[in-house]
Amino acid sequence: GENVEQHPSTLSVQEGDSAVIKCTYSDSASNYFPWYKQELGKRPQLIIDIRSNVGEKKDQRIAVTLNKTAKHFSLHITETQPEDSAVYFCAASSPLSFGAGTTVTVRA
Amino acid sequence: DSGVTQTPKHLITATGQRVTLRCSPRSGDLSVYWYQQSLDQGLQFLIQYYNGEERAKGNILERFSAQQFPDLHSELNLSSLELGDSALYFCASSTSRSRNEQFFGPGTRLTVL
Repeated sequence: GENVEQHPSTLSVQEGDSAVIKCTYSDSASNYFPWYKQELGKRPQLIIDIRSNVGEKKDQRIAVTLNKTAKHFSLHITETQPEDSAVYFCAASSPLSFGAGTTVTVRA
Repeated sequence: DSGVTQTPKHLITATGQRVTLRCSPRSGDLSVYWYQQSLDQGLQFLIQYYNGEERAKGNILERFSAQQFPDLHSELNLSSLELGDSALYFCASSTSRSRNEQFFGPGTRLTVL
C-alpha cells in the first residue's frame, strides 16, 4: 500500500514568515494529494488538494506543488498568521494514506 | 460544518465491552470512510463503504466491523475493547467512488477504562 512520509514534525515560524511542509509518497499510481488542517480536538479540514495532472495549485496564501517524478509534494503557507497554528497532514491516494502530521506554531 | 455528522461525541466504556459509532454522510455522498486517530499513530484508514458495499479495507482489526445501510449512514462496531482502542474515530464522506475529496465529521472520542 501507499506510504507517506512528512517532514518536519514540528515547525515554529515568526508571524509574517513562510512555512513549508514536505511529503514523499511511495506508490507511483497515486494521483490525488490533499492537505488537511486540524486544530486541537477538531476535525481535519481540507485546505487544498492537487491532482497528478497539475504541478502547482494556489489558493490565496496557500500553495501546493507536486513533483511526480520525485514522488514528493509540498505545502507552502505565506504571510503566516497566528490562526495558521495547527497540525497539518498531507495524504495521498484513495483511500487516503496520511503523513504523521506537522505541528505548526506561528509566533506573534 | 462539513455536513457529516457523528454520534455520540464522547463514549466512555470498560475493557471487554462493545460499542457502536454512527456516521451520517453529507447529503448525496455515497462513500463513507472510517479513520482512527490515536496520539501516537496519527490518522489510520480503517475501512471504506460505497453505496452499501465494502470498497476498501485498511488497518482494521478483526474485533472491529462496519456496515453502510440503505439510507447511506454507516456504523462502526468495536468489540472486546482494549485500553489501546482509546482514540478519536472519524468518519468522512465523498460523493462518488472516483471523486476523492473527503469531508470529515466531528469525530467520536472513545475512552476505554
